Amino acid sequence: AQKITQTQPGMFVQEKEAVTLDCTYDTSDPSYGLFWYKQPSSGEMIFLIYQGSYDQQNATEGRYSLNFQKARKSANLVISASQLGDSAMYFCAMRTNAGGTSYGKLTFGQGTILTVHP
Amino acid sequence: DAMVIQNPRYQVTQFGKPVTLSCSQTLNHNVMYWYQQKSSQAPKLLFHYYDKDFNNEADTPDNFQSRRPNTSFCFLDIRSPGLGDAAMYLCATMGARGMPEQFFGPGTRLTVL
Repeated sequence: AQKITQTQPGMFVQEKEAVTLDCTYDTSDPSYGLFWYKQPSSGEMIFLIYQGSYDQQNATEGRYSLNFQKARKSANLVISASQLGDSAMYFCAMRTNAGGTSYGKLTFGQGTILTVHP
Repeated sequence: DAMVIQNPRYQVTQFGKPVTLSCSQTLNHNVMYWYQQKSSQAPKLLFHYYDKDFNNEADTPDNFQSRRPNTSFCFLDIRSPGLGDAAMYLCATMGARGMPEQFFGPGTRLTVL
């Protein structure tokens, strides 16, 4: 079974500072993908960044980077230079590459609410 | 350009009155998903389609049904909504090849009176 754990229910950060949101995962599948989504109060899930289990380098997308430590089974999201608009719920998710009836199924963590202070 | 569209954004229904939520996509993706998300919780997968192949999660109540008449559209039918079905319902799509992420619509927030 796949499991995603986000241990930080809430995080606070000062505007323009960097923040790290923690995510650990558990799977026996050697091939998997890790995702981070942002969900503002409006409700829409916004894709931020993806890391494949075989990717050698950590993924980066603008101000977002994923600190992938495979041996520790962690996939922390780092947001640099926080902005007020970054205040939202953040979900870590995992997809294993099981085909057939489980195609592309995502398992989500419980989320972390990030609040950016001016 | 909207890619995954959900209508309506807000839906109010009465206890026990059937309701249908709709989702459409302009991405021509093979896979479409329906998630239920209750307040301050993670999204929970209800079912998904790979083309016309329907896949139901084991713990999805029978009260929830889905239809996918063509590639672009997918519907969520709640036959007899209960108070516990009040939630945000998220539709998502994914291509069989190419980009690995799921693309989500804006969601429909369902209220049951």
